[in-house]
Amino acid sequence: NAGVMQNPRHLVRRRGQEARLRCSPMKGHSHVYWYRQLPEEGLKFMVYLQKENIIDESGMPKERFSAEFPKEGPSILRIQQVVRGDSAAYFCASSPMTGYTEAFFGQGTRLTVV
Amino acid sequence: GQQLNQSPQSMFIQEGEDVSMNCTSSSIFNTWLWYKQDPGEGPVLLIALYKAGELTSNGRLTAQFGITRKDSFLNISASIPSDVGIYFCAGQVPGSNYQLIWGAGTKLIIKP
Repeated sequence: NAGVMQNPRHLVRRRGQEARLRCSPMKGHSHVYWYRQLPEEGLKFMVYLQKENIIDESGMPKERFSAEFPKEGPSILRIQQVVRGDSAAYFCASSPMTGYTEAFFGQGTRLTVV
Repeated sequence: GQQLNQSPQSMFIQEGEDVSMNCTSSSIFNTWLWYKQDPGEGPVLLIALYKAGELTSNGRLTAQFGITRKDSFLNISASIPSDVGIYFCAGQVPGSNYQLIWGAGTKLIIKP
């Protein structure tokens, strides 16, 4: 049973470009959470999705950021017109039901904006 | 907003030594979690604590949920090289069963 798969592992974008981060949850998991981690800091909650629904996006910036979890395929975190401050590690976690103790994290995507 | 203060920020210890780290908050949490993050990897849950005063072990790891519900500590006994990594505490946001507030992490470095 494969774990949570995130790709790409590393992504370099120039300022103003778009970044698309993908997360394939573990088999049987229909809940996905996205987090951002800045260097030397803990994770910050961004958004919680279930299949085809955004449940809670209270941690996501209102502009330039969007997330989706379609019926088929991976969850996507999209950052438009990236700026240097978007450089961070982005982690997703998945769980079979709401809650964190059953949630498993992916290896993260390290976004660098140059 | 709520914040967790995790200390120490980093630790340099000899293999075989015991390790202790803690998290404090100005707010009450109903659940405390401890995670470990290896370089280039996502966090892995080590221990979850649900009740004030609870003491829980996982192998050489022991964690406690403080009586005041505003703190927690993690102990690692007889450290080994594979214990190297960053340890994070996290507290459950009251009213949510999925949102966590994370500490900044304790980086553990073991001298052979």
